[in-house]
Amino acid sequence: NAGVTQTPKFQVLKTGQSMTLQCAQDMNHEYMSWYRQDPGMGLRLIHYSVGAGITDQGEVPNGYNVSRSTTEDFPLRLLSAAPSQTSVYFCASSDGYNQPQHFGDGTRLSIL
Amino acid sequence: RKEVEQDPGPFNVPEGATVAFNCTYSNSASQSFFWYRQDCRKEPKLLMSVYSSGNEDGRFTAQLIRASQYISLLIRDSKLSDSATYLCAVSSSGYALNFGKGTSLLVTP
Repeated sequence: NAGVTQTPKFQVLKTGQSMTLQCAQDMNHEYMSWYRQDPGMGLRLIHYSVGAGITDQGEVPNGYNVSRSTTEDFPLRLLSAAPSQTSVYFCASSDGYNQPQHFGDGTRLSIL
Repeated sequence: RKEVEQDPGPFNVPEGATVAFNCTYSNSASQSFFWYRQDCRKEPKLLMSVYSSGNEDGRFTAQLIRASQYISLLIRDSKLSDSATYLCAVSSSGYALNFGKGTSLLVTP
């Protein structure tokens, strides 16, 4: 049982480059979310989705885009990477309203 | 003000000690509450959900006091393997979580 799978595990980008962080879950969960974790800031919600075709912004959405074309996949796109987006990114999913979230093992992203 | 507040610690305790973590939340409409554990450079893992009636899982006891918007986690008989960061998480929307910054615990021999 793979759970929530994130790729890549590590990535280094130059300022201005774009990239997509991949997230896939095999648990048929409706709800998926993206968080970033920075020292001293804790986990902060970037975007979330309550089902295919439905997404919404979280606490820190600027500079990121998401889409949800299937139940399984929830990619996070950085349109023009900035050093402030250096962080650890976690994808999570849950199987219903008010249910706990289950996390992937993260993507460590550095923007130079 | 952050929606979920925790004492950052660190808490340094000897093996066998009892340690308590506290968490407060600002949105009285919050509907679900959790404690997560996060090891260094790893993903958060669900430790337990928190209910108003209080709930226990082995050495771990969680409590929610809605009137005070307060959540607690008690760890009895601490083990070296309990060393980690403990994250309080609250859901106001039902769809995603707001996390505290975490409380660091170090259990020493």
